[in-house]
Amino acid sequence: EIVLTQSPGTLSLSPGERATLSCRASRSVSLSHLAWYQKKPGQAPRLLIFNASNRPTGIPDRFSGSGSGTDFTLTISRLQPEDFAVYYCQQYANSPLTFGGGTKVEIK
Amino acid sequence: QVQLQESGPGLVKPSQTLSLTCTVSGVSISNGLYYWSWTRHHPGKGLEWIGYMYYRGSTYYNPSLKSRVTISVDTSKNQFSLNLTSVTAADTAVYFCARGAYGEPDWGQGTLVTVSS
Repeated sequence: EIVLTQSPGTLSLSPGERATLSCRASRSVSLSHLAWYQKKPGQAPRLLIFNASNRPTGIPDRFSGSGSGTDFTLTISRLQPEDFAVYYCQQYANSPLTFGGGTKVEIK
Repeated sequence: QVQLQESGPGLVKPSQTLSLTCTVSGVSISNGLYYWSWTRHHPGKGLEWIGYMYYRGSTYYNPSLKSRVTISVDTSKNQFSLNLTSVTAADTAVYFCARGAYGEPDWGQGTLVTVSS
């Protein structure tokens, strides 16, 4: 099982600031099969990034993903009020699929 | 537009079986291009992947739940289902179904299942 460790646990930032979230895998995620999701209370997870760096249609370009192997990053270039939420990484390279523990991005 | 909708009892007694159904619209489960998954979110905690299936019958489960979980499909109704046996309070969570390919772009709204007597 690939264990994903996200850091930091909580990120306190102001609107307009840049957010950098980390996801580290216990072993290499093949083909960069890693996704990032945004989760808000009472809502389903929303896919932001797939294959480490690809944005689905409709996701704003302030969200970007990078990385390969065991180290991945989600960057939100300029935080908007609606971006304050919990973010999860997920690997789908190997079964069982696994999620990281999440990073909460909160308003400072 | 792909839509998924979970349905099932919101309250299950301890030791009984939790059964949920996900109804899919906008795409046929039997086209074989995607996997169909269940994930849960415990109150105040993170996301936990339960398992997924491919139309042609392959299923994959979270090892921590494997002995209690079954995911199955009814192509005539374009639905897939989750059965979780011998539930305890630790299984109280919001359960989501989703369509997967590269990541999971489409999710149901989620349904809260409480395990309590």
